Amino acid sequence: KNEVEQSPQNLTAQEGEFITINCSYSVGISALHWLQQHPGGGIVSLFMLSSGKKKHGRLIATINIQEKHSSLHITASHPRDSAVYICAVGNTGNQFYFGTGTSLTVIP
Amino acid sequence: DAGITQSPRYKITETGRQVTLMCHQTWSHSYMFWYRQDLGHGLRLIYYSAAADITDKGEVPDGYVVSRSKTENFPLTLESATRSQTSVYFCASSDISAGGTLLAMKQFFGPGTRLTVL
Repeated sequence: KNEVEQSPQNLTAQEGEFITINCSYSVGISALHWLQQHPGGGIVSLFMLSSGKKKHGRLIATINIQEKHSSLHITASHPRDSAVYICAVGNTGNQFYFGTGTSLTVIP
Repeated sequence: DAGITQSPRYKITETGRQVTLMCHQTWSHSYMFWYRQDLGHGLRLIYYSAAADITDKGEVPDGYVVSRSKTENFPLTLESATRSQTSVYFCASSDISAGGTLLAMKQFFGPGTRLTVL
């Protein structure tokens, strides 16, 4: 049983398209993170949120606590957005759960 | 440069050997973490540390030992490596949470160590 499910697993988009990656979780959480893993392997934290919505440049993350769902949106996608996007949640018991990631390829 | 570094970046070893993976951060972050990443499993927490001399188990601690004698260093030791420990290992650090929980803090990840156990 996976506590965190991401969809889709793989996504290919044309440059400029609007992209949505979804994350559903089954545990009560204190915070949710979106991470980006570059093709070279490095991991960067994009967002940490526990409610509402956050925006950074072309990236938008939303969370619905009642529905246990979060989405990561990328507007005007670019080939440099090609990466694996990972959803991670933590509960009040200091337990961590990571999704297996969504592999995004943006074609010029 | 400031940041979080891991060494070695690549390591090949044999079953039964002891291996130590190093992690060093220059931010004086209180918390440090070790994860392993395997296909189909995503990232899994091995151990974490809240401060020097304070460590705690994560989801998959068996076969691993950690220590933290200094705030900036958090080595991970495989006492007797097994093939199932072939993986990519990531170290991360984060600052003190203002009353929040472990994952209620932004984490900064090292570049990873790819370990192969033959």
